[in-house]
Amino acid sequence: QVQLVQSGAEVKKPGASVMLSCKASGYTFTGYYIHWVRQAPGQGLEWMGIFNPSGGKTTYAKKLQGRLTMTGDRSTTTVYMELSSLTYEDTAVYYCAREGAIAVAGNIRTYFDYWGQGTVVAVSS
Amino acid sequence: DIQLTQSPPSLSASVGDRVTITCRASQSIGTSLNWYQQKPGRAPKLLIYAASSLQSGVPSRFSGSGSGTDFTLTISSLQPEDFATYYCQQSYNAPPTYSTPPYTFGQGTKLEIK
Repeated sequence: QVQLVQSGAEVKKPGASVMLSCKASGYTFTGYYIHWVRQAPGQGLEWMGIFNPSGGKTTYAKKLQGRLTMTGDRSTTTVYMELSSLTYEDTAVYYCAREGAIAVAGNIRTYFDYWGQGTVVAVSS
Repeated sequence: DIQLTQSPPSLSASVGDRVTITCRASQSIGTSLNWYQQKPGRAPKLLIYAASSLQSGVPSRFSGSGSGTDFTLTISSLQPEDFATYYCQQSYNAPPTYSTPPYTFGQGTKLEIK
């Protein structure tokens, strides 16, 4: 069965960097894009970026460009997300999610069909 | 960026009630609209994709409709396990170009027990 298993909770100081992992299993790793989404305490969902495990291409949210890096390792079917220059506003639960797709009336429609369990990142001095 | 506005922000209802949540997009997005359910401490779960298609394994009491700018999620008869927060998501700028941001979410609707 499809699974995305994320790394454990992190506590970081302001200005530090954090790297999270998302290990995929149960499907062809290179066949599906992986996204990262975060949720600040008591807030909604914020899309962060997308990683293509096949070619390594990335697209990041404008507000995170310059601080966000996504990479992948096909040998371990793992995607990594590194966020640098952390501030208190980066305190959140971070999720990875797989993008599914379907053709509807000649158009491709996409959605996030599987999610990791989430990783808490707390930025604290 | 495409903005999504959900209403109401919160809703109190009873088991057995019929509930409707709406999501309005700031521009036409065709049927590029998905719905998710999130329970406290858990990851979101896909309910509806492409505006009206039920994800496998999701109970048939959930349904979605709409196109263009106005969308609805309906729960025909609320069950105790349905009390959660619901989010809409647009994917209009996703494939093939993935113009940033390719996805945005509504602010959520919290469904509580009356």
